[in-house]
Amino acid sequence: QVQLQESGPGLVKPSQTLSLTCTVSGGSISSGGYYWSWIRQHPGKGLEWIGYISYSGSTYYNPSLKSRFTISVDTSKNQFSLKLSSVTAADTAVYYCARCGYIFNWFDPWGQGTLVTVSS
Amino acid sequence: EIVLTQSPGTLSLSPGERATLSCRASQSVSSSYLAWYQRKPGQAPRLLIYGASSRATGIPDRFSGSGSGTDFTLTISRLEPEDFAVYYCQQYGSSPITFGQGTRLEIK
Repeated sequence: QVQLQESGPGLVKPSQTLSLTCTVSGGSISSGGYYWSWIRQHPGKGLEWIGYISYSGSTYYNPSLKSRFTISVDTSKNQFSLKLSSVTAADTAVYYCARCGYIFNWFDPWGQGTLVTVSS
Repeated sequence: EIVLTQSPGTLSLSPGERATLSCRASQSVSSSYLAWYQRKPGQAPRLLIYGASSRATGIPDRFSGSGSGTDFTLTISRLEPEDFAVYYCQQYGSSPITFGQGTRLEIK
């Protein structure tokens, strides 16, 4: 059973870069057939899809978001990562990683999520 | 982008009752590419329904999804204590993928 777990700092200062990692267990990112995704939820708001990456490194981002996001994959560690540059308080959110299919982009499974607070 | 509006925002019911949650899209969702998720505090969101009406693996049959076009419904036939949570819909028929703002199902 595939499981995902987010990790990274819970507090980031304004203007810095937020870096999160999602570790996949119970399955291999390299096996293909899936996209590996990042989703966030601002306090009291709905969920927002950020983007996803394939095992080969092809990325797709939400065009409605500004291009401060970078998603990368490290198949040797069975991990994928999210970087968000020049953060502001508006980037405070719970960040989730999740898996979705190539064709049918529903998300299953998800990580538990990690709260990132942007504050000085 | 497709905006998904869920209603009601909060639904107060008792165990054993029937729950009906609505998800309305601002434009037609292609091929009924709509999913539902359940989220409990401190837990990973769980996929319940995909393709508007197909139950995910391991999901009890008291959960059912229906609808097409712009109107979709998640029904929980008889509420169990563990069903009280927040529920989200998501469309994956058009880019960008979007989610509804959620319906909180609370114990009355």
